[in-house]
Amino acid sequence: QKEVEQNSGPLSVPEGAIASLNCTYSDRVSQSFFWYRQYSGKSPELIMSIYSNGDKEDGRFTAQLNKASQYVSLLIRDSQPSDSATYLCAVNNYGGATNKLIFGTGTLLAVQP
Amino acid sequence: DVKVTQSSRYLVKRTGEKVFLECVQDMDHENMFWYRQDPGLGLRLIYFSYDVKMKEKGDIPEGYSVSREKKERFSLILESASTNQTSMYLCASSRLRSEQYFGPGTRLTVT
Repeated sequence: QKEVEQNSGPLSVPEGAIASLNCTYSDRVSQSFFWYRQYSGKSPELIMSIYSNGDKEDGRFTAQLNKASQYVSLLIRDSQPSDSATYLCAVNNYGGATNKLIFGTGTLLAVQP
Repeated sequence: DVKVTQSSRYLVKRTGEKVFLECVQDMDHENMFWYRQDPGLGLRLIYFSYDVKMKEKGDIPEGYSVSREKKERFSLILESASTNQTSMYLCASSRLRSEQYFGPGTRLTVT
């Protein structure tokens, strides 16, 4: 079992709809969770971090965390064509003195105008 | 704003050449990381450093070495470049136990 799993997609949604991106992780001691957006040919850009169970909202983005189910999701409301990108889920368990992140392979989101 | 810069956006080298990729961050971050990213394989950690002159191997260190002589600078070295090292190389930095910020990446082609 992969440590961090994401559906590779592509996930296709119409403009204005809600895009729902999902991520599961295998290590129960994981403590912090991040969503990165990566446009084609560019580097990952941090868009959300979440550390405790529940929802965290930032503009059109909402991250949801359920540690009991080992599940983290990202909702994008009012999706725009500019949201079309690959979304990477990353998980950290603070092993040792560093914060190595374990990345999923990403979900490709396509927002259709 | 956190700023992570990498020495080159695009690089073309020949097989057997020694290649240096440099990364500089301006936020006094303790941790620095080198990844490579390939289609279908995602981000893979090559090496990381949690302090000056300290380094640890990541998941795929073979064929690479690193140097961190100053806190703000982390270099990745390909001792003898091979075609299977053609990839996108990404540097990242972070504070202790915090999110990582990425540089713009270097697309390396080895011919």
